[in-house]
Amino acid sequence: DIQMTQSPSSLPASVGDRITITCRASQTIGNFLNWYQQKPGKAPKLLIYGASTLQSGVPSRFSGSGSGTDFTLTVNSLQPEDFAIYYCQQSYNIPRTFGQGTRVDVK
Amino acid sequence: QVQLQESGPGLVKPSETLSLTCTVSGSSISSTYYWGWMRQPPGKGLEWIGSIYHSGHTYYNPSLRSRVIITVDTSKNQFSLKLSSVTAADTAIYYCASEFRDNGYPLDYWGQGTRVTVSS
Repeated sequence: DIQMTQSPSSLPASVGDRITITCRASQTIGNFLNWYQQKPGKAPKLLIYGASTLQSGVPSRFSGSGSGTDFTLTVNSLQPEDFAIYYCQQSYNIPRTFGQGTRVDVK
Repeated sequence: QVQLQESGPGLVKPSETLSLTCTVSGSSISSTYYWGWMRQPPGKGLEWIGSIYHSGHTYYNPSLRSRVIITVDTSKNQFSLKLSSVTAADTAIYYCASEFRDNGYPLDYWGQGTRVTVSS
């Protein structure tokens, strides 16, 4: 299985901050990397697919980059509704695997 | 817009079989999607269980392969999950979702999730 490792696990932040979450794959996955946001009691929501393509309806303050094994999710000007847990996921091969999650909470 | 809704028992006894169904609306289940199941134990991260194409072609997580069967019913626009010989470790929120093949298989639409508890 491809292991996905996110850092940090927890990220205290304030409204207006620019935050960056990293995700590293244990082997190369091309650009088959997706990012999700999950709020308490809700299903995950797709933010970015193909490492850098914004899903329809997702605000442009979210962006993704990277290829191969190293990827980043950036949120510019954090908004109150962005406090959540973020997961990366590889869809390069089977089984699909997720990172352990990064909790973005109020500093 | 694709919508998915999970249904099934919320309580399953140990050693029995967990059975869930996902009903798809807003899209034909015979479109260019794979249809998948994920789970999330309380307070923990996400685990991919497996997925199926409308042809019946399936992919399973090797860690669960011996206990999982995913099937599709194109006439009802539904797909289903069966997980046998359950234990307390199978207690989780179970989600169904669509995997859009043409975009590299991201999980683009999700059901709201259904909580399943394994307990006697």
